[in-house]
Amino acid sequence: EVQLVESGGGLVQPGASLKLSCVASGFTFSDYWMSWVRQTPGKTMEWIGDIKYDGSYTNYAPSLKNRFTISRDNAKSTLYLQMSNVRSEDTATYYCTRVRGIIVFDYWGQGVMVTVSS
Amino acid sequence: DVVLTQSPATLSVTPGERISLSCRASESVDTYLHWYQQKPNESPRLLIKYASQSISGIPSRFSGSGSGTDFTLSINGVELEDLSIYYCQQGNSLPYTFGAGTKLELK
Repeated sequence: EVQLVESGGGLVQPGASLKLSCVASGFTFSDYWMSWVRQTPGKTMEWIGDIKYDGSYTNYAPSLKNRFTISRDNAKSTLYLQMSNVRSEDTATYYCTRVRGIIVFDYWGQGVMVTVSS
Repeated sequence: DVVLTQSPATLSVTPGERISLSCRASESVDTYLHWYQQKPNESPRLLIKYASQSISGIPSRFSGSGSGTDFTLSINGVELEDLSIYYCQQGNSLPYTFGAGTKLELK
């Protein structure tokens, strides 16, 4: 059974940094592109970026490229999202997703909530 | 960026009826258009891929159609468990984008 379990969320102050993790199981992690997607409190869904199966290539939403960094550790079957200089508009639930084919998000984690507030 | 416009924003339904949800793209996305269902307090799950391809484990009452810029998700015989938000998403071009969703509620 495919499982994606995110962690690392919480309350963070504006301007701070935060690193989210996603541990994968039930499939060969190193065979798949992976992606982060976030959902605002108003339910808007936004794609953040993705990373190639070997970690050699990443894509990002242009509006987030300068502050967010996606990485992975295939030995640990773990995906990461490093968030820097966070803003109130980064308040959202962050989902880790597996990517198939021409960008199908076929499995989603349970999500982790990030709240940016002073 | 490709803008996906979903309509209606909210649809009031009666169990058993057949309904259709629309997703229109601001430019052609070929058939790289996927549908997700999000039940209250749950993560999204994949419902239909590549506009019309079914997904294992998804009830057969769900179907998709369309290509280019106009897409439809149909539910043939709505059930109470289908009361959810439905999102379309395009994978044709970066950045990948989602529609704003259609919420199904009970009439």
